[in-house]
Amino acid sequence: GAGVSQSPSNKVTEKGKDVELRCDPISGHTALYWYRQSLGQGLEFLIYFQGNSAPDKSGLPSDRFSAERTGGSVSTLTIQRTQQEDSAVYLCASSPRLVLQETQYFGPGTRLLVL
Amino acid sequence: GESVGLHLPTLSVQEGDNSIINCAYSNSASDYFIWYKQESGKGPQFIIDIRSNMDKRQGQRVTVLLNKTVKHLSLQIAATQPGDSAVYFCAEKTTDTGNQFYFGTGTSLTVIP
Repeated sequence: GAGVSQSPSNKVTEKGKDVELRCDPISGHTALYWYRQSLGQGLEFLIYFQGNSAPDKSGLPSDRFSAERTGGSVSTLTIQRTQQEDSAVYLCASSPRLVLQETQYFGPGTRLLVL
Repeated sequence: GESVGLHLPTLSVQEGDNSIINCAYSNSASDYFIWYKQESGKGPQFIIDIRSNMDKRQGQRVTVLLNKTVKHLSLQIAATQPGDSAVYFCAEKTTDTGNQFYFGTGTSLTVIP
């Protein structure tokens, strides 16, 4: 597609339930990032995928958070046993990750509300 | 630790005036910087970037200035328009942090018609 897409755009869930958030990166982009943005805050890095390399999971806040990237394209961020503090906008970005082409392009985000 | 911050959380300017949004960073090894614009309900949109081997870079109505001596980054918007109203983020990356970009909390720009 022309840009990064994310689904769903909004998700309301009950505390304790699991949620899955999807990201479709720009075609051909080898790098994919997940960020979390709380209200009025900057972006918090969660996880990074680059090609077939092992993902950089250093930003995941707890073991309730996990992410996969299948076939080097689509990625799914899973939050298990959601808590109210997980409420935020989850942003996905992709990048060519080539020399001198590191710019990240963001999707519109998934707004998660945990009741 | 890493620190990317903005001097002013909010900025209001008259339509047609120039806007200057500032950003400070703490790691002198930072070598790549990006400015993003985020409108309400949308993801961040790339505006302009600059590498540490440059002091200035210009785009359409925007200019980014990098002062490595004082570790300061600024975004200048010429002839600010109502459509420029948004939150602006700076992000930086260093080779020793590998994959991570660090983002500031953002400056909210409001353009007064």
